[in-house]
Amino acid sequence: KQEVTQIPAALSVPEGENLVLNCSFTDSAIYNLQWFRQDPGKGLTSLLLIQSSQREQTSGRLNASLDKSSGRSTLYIAASQPGDSATYLCAVGNTDKLIFGTGTRLQVFP
Amino acid sequence: NAGVTQTPKFQVLKTGQSMTLQCAQDMNHNSMYWYRQDPGMGLRLIYYSASEGTTDKGEVPNGYNVSRLNKREFSLRLESAAPSQTSVYFCASSVQGDHGYTFGSGTRLTVV
Repeated sequence: KQEVTQIPAALSVPEGENLVLNCSFTDSAIYNLQWFRQDPGKGLTSLLLIQSSQREQTSGRLNASLDKSSGRSTLYIAASQPGDSATYLCAVGNTDKLIFGTGTRLQVFP
Repeated sequence: NAGVTQTPKFQVLKTGQSMTLQCAQDMNHNSMYWYRQDPGMGLRLIYYSASEGTTDKGEVPNGYNVSRLNKREFSLRLESAAPSQTSVYFCASSVQGDHGYTFGSGTRLTVV
């Protein structure tokens, strides 16, 4: 059974720092991996989608990498801003399903 | 472009009542999903529909039924609501299961 773990569960950093969020999964037979952002009381916003054949994807200040063989993905956020404060969710796609980690709650303070 | 639309946004039910959560997507996606999100548990898959006319159980299907009415719409029904079904429910869609997912804004359900 696929299990997805995100570390750390919570993170508090000052504005301007570069930071890394980690995601690990137990079964390397995945189709893709997707990073989402969730603001309190809101839905999920897709940030980046990495197909299983890809090693990384970039969007603005965000960069996500994927290492299938080791069962790991990282989300790199450059020059963090208070507006980046949210919960970040990692999800792996297996056949017809998307399996989620429990998220990293990020707070960026001025 | 509305994406995935869920109704209602909020609902309070009494134990034993029934209700249907509605979901519609306008992206011509083949696959649709229902998840529930609980504190400390993450998002868990309730049911999914890989294509029009098919439905399958996910991780936590007990107490729920679904209907894929057509390609656009996928509804989730609670026949006899229980307090354990208090949660936030999200509908999602995808071109196919191996593509990216788009989520609705969620339905916050409280069962008292």
